[in-house]
Amino acid sequence: GNSVTQMEGPVTLSEEAFLTINCTYTATGYPSLFWYVQYPGEGLQLLLKATKADDKGSNKGFEATYRKETTSFHLEKGSVQVSDSAVYFCALYSSASKIIFGSGTRLSIRP
Amino acid sequence: NAGVTQTPKFQVLKTGQSMTLQCAQDMNHNSMYWYRQDPGMGLRLIYYSASEGTTDKGEVPNGYNVSRLNKREFSLRLESAAPSQTSVYFCASTPGQPNTGELFFGEGSRLTVL
Repeated sequence: GNSVTQMEGPVTLSEEAFLTINCTYTATGYPSLFWYVQYPGEGLQLLLKATKADDKGSNKGFEATYRKETTSFHLEKGSVQVSDSAVYFCALYSSASKIIFGSGTRLSIRP
Repeated sequence: NAGVTQTPKFQVLKTGQSMTLQCAQDMNHNSMYWYRQDPGMGLRLIYYSASEGTTDKGEVPNGYNVSRLNKREFSLRLESAAPSQTSVYFCASTPGQPNTGELFFGEGSRLTVL
């Protein structure tokens, strides 16, 4: 069946550092891929998405590219801020499997 | 914009007690979902309702029941709470037709079962 695997956290970085959070998936067909973010005490909210191979999703300085050849959708940001501290979830959607979430990666940014 | 509203936000129960978590959305979405979030396990789907009048089991339905009361409301009931049901519960909705996979979440309900 379909599945999503993301790097375990927690990840701690200094402000202005480069961020990568790895996400790989297993799926049949052509799923859509998402990154959701959960700020402390809140529900998840969509950060970015990509619906087909080679698409790049971007929002708030974050980017992720849908790589079908490596079945990956890694999240990147060039210069993180303290306000980026949150839990990040990679997710996959297909009509067959519905929406599947990874286990989440907690990110903490030091001033 | 209210979006997805869950009540209550916090609840403490004793083992064996029952309770209902309420969820309402004002976005005219067709599909609604209940997830639980546990440390290190991400979100796991309990039940979902693809459209008004239908409900289906997700990954972890045991110990729960749901009711899709109307298009706006989707409730989750614990008939006899157990400590293993201590978790944070999230309700979510999506337009559903077509289903793009983009979910809109409530703020969560933190449940502790003693």
